Amino acid sequence: EIVLTQSPGTLSLSPGERATLSCRASQSVSSTYLAWYQQKPGQAPRLLIYGASSRATGIPDRFSGSGSGTDFTLTISRLEPEDFAVYYCQQYGFSPPGYTFGQGTKLEIK
Amino acid sequence: EVELVESGGGLVKPGGSLRLSCAASGFTFSNAWMIWVRQAPGKGLEWVGRIKSKADGGTTDYAAPVKGRFTISRDDSKTTLYLQMNSLKTEDTAVYYCATLGYAMDYWGQGTLVTVSS
Repeated sequence: EIVLTQSPGTLSLSPGERATLSCRASQSVSSTYLAWYQQKPGQAPRLLIYGASSRATGIPDRFSGSGSGTDFTLTISRLEPEDFAVYYCQQYGFSPPGYTFGQGTKLEIK
Repeated sequence: EVELVESGGGLVKPGGSLRLSCAASGFTFSNAWMIWVRQAPGKGLEWVGRIKSKADGGTTDYAAPVKGRFTISRDDSKTTLYLQMNSLKTEDTAVYYCATLGYAMDYWGQGTLVTVSS
């Protein structure tokens, strides 16, 4: 089973700064099935990025995804107050079929 | 607009059963693959199981912790997804979300809380 490890666990930044969140897989994963989600307290997760680098519908262009193989990155170019939340990466594996989430990175206001 | 509304959560004793529903609208439900994801209090996300569209075989897959105890089904005529949960354990306590499934989990419901406690 593929394990996704996100770092850092908590990231403290100020509005206007750049955020870089990492997701590392225990073995190579298909970029097609690598996604990022944002979750705010008391809310359902929201899809941000799919296919490692494609923004979901309605997601601002300050969010971008990159990476391949075992190393993936979510970048938020200039933080807005509404961006402070928990972020999860997620991958799909074919054999056996299953979905894995990272443990999450909490992005908090410094 | 895509809308997913879960219902059926509540308090149940260990060993008991519960059926969750996810009412879907705003898209062609019969063509959609669907997934259940849960989140224990204060914890991260964990997939529970998925169901393919009938056109793609309608088959199901489950995460190891729930395999043999949980069953996912769908009623395309009612545009509703179900999660039948049997032999519930305290560790099944979580908010349960349904979501549409493409290359990722595109749209999510608001979740329904299941508490397993004596």
